[in-house]
Amino acid sequence: AQSVAQPEDQVNVAEGNPLTVKCTYSVSGNPYLFWYVQYPNRGLQFLLKYITGDNLVKGSYGFEAEFNKSQTSFHLKKPSALVSDSALYFCAVRDSGYSTLTFGKGTMLLVSP
Amino acid sequence: SAVISQKPSRDICQRGTSLTIQCQVDSQVTMMFWYRQQPGQSLTLIATANQGSEATYESGFVIDKFPISRPNLTFSTLTVSNMSPEDSSIYLCSVGTGGEGDTQYFGPGTRLTVL
Repeated sequence: AQSVAQPEDQVNVAEGNPLTVKCTYSVSGNPYLFWYVQYPNRGLQFLLKYITGDNLVKGSYGFEAEFNKSQTSFHLKKPSALVSDSALYFCAVRDSGYSTLTFGKGTMLLVSP
Repeated sequence: SAVISQKPSRDICQRGTSLTIQCQVDSQVTMMFWYRQQPGQSLTLIATANQGSEATYESGFVIDKFPISRPNLTFSTLTVSNMSPEDSSIYLCSVGTGGEGDTQYFGPGTRLTVL
């Protein structure tokens, strides 16, 4: 079975400060990990993914994520937050041998001016 | 990435009626999926739409309630049948190539309100 947890319902950060949105996962095989963002009244937009290789993955809009196998985590980060980054962020996992994604509950990121 | 469109973008329906949602992709894709996002909730997979055969439903979802068609590699429909207010959700179409490391891309969603 595959599962993913996002422990924070909401993250608040001031514009210009670094941000982190947390994600932990559970799989029986090798994990394929994804971050998506959802703006109000919009579908999901793909940000980045980890398949294999470097633990630090860079994606769209200046976001990056760090894969940590020992801690089974895949936290989303950005060095300097923008007000326009305010949105709902979803972490997702696919276990090797599976064809479907499992999503976390989502974390609302609020960036204040 | 594929460009995915959904129709309608939103609708308000009466209890007991049915609504068919269309998903169109601008290129051929191997995998098409339908998700539900209930208010304030995460995404839940309803089913995988299989081209030329019956859809594969996840636990808790049945064909009589959510019939799905996929006549070709670029198009799928999801019908929400005999609707109740509990069916009020955003319904999202998603596509992928089916590989293990494959990225799934999502349509803009259909916002359904059932009165």
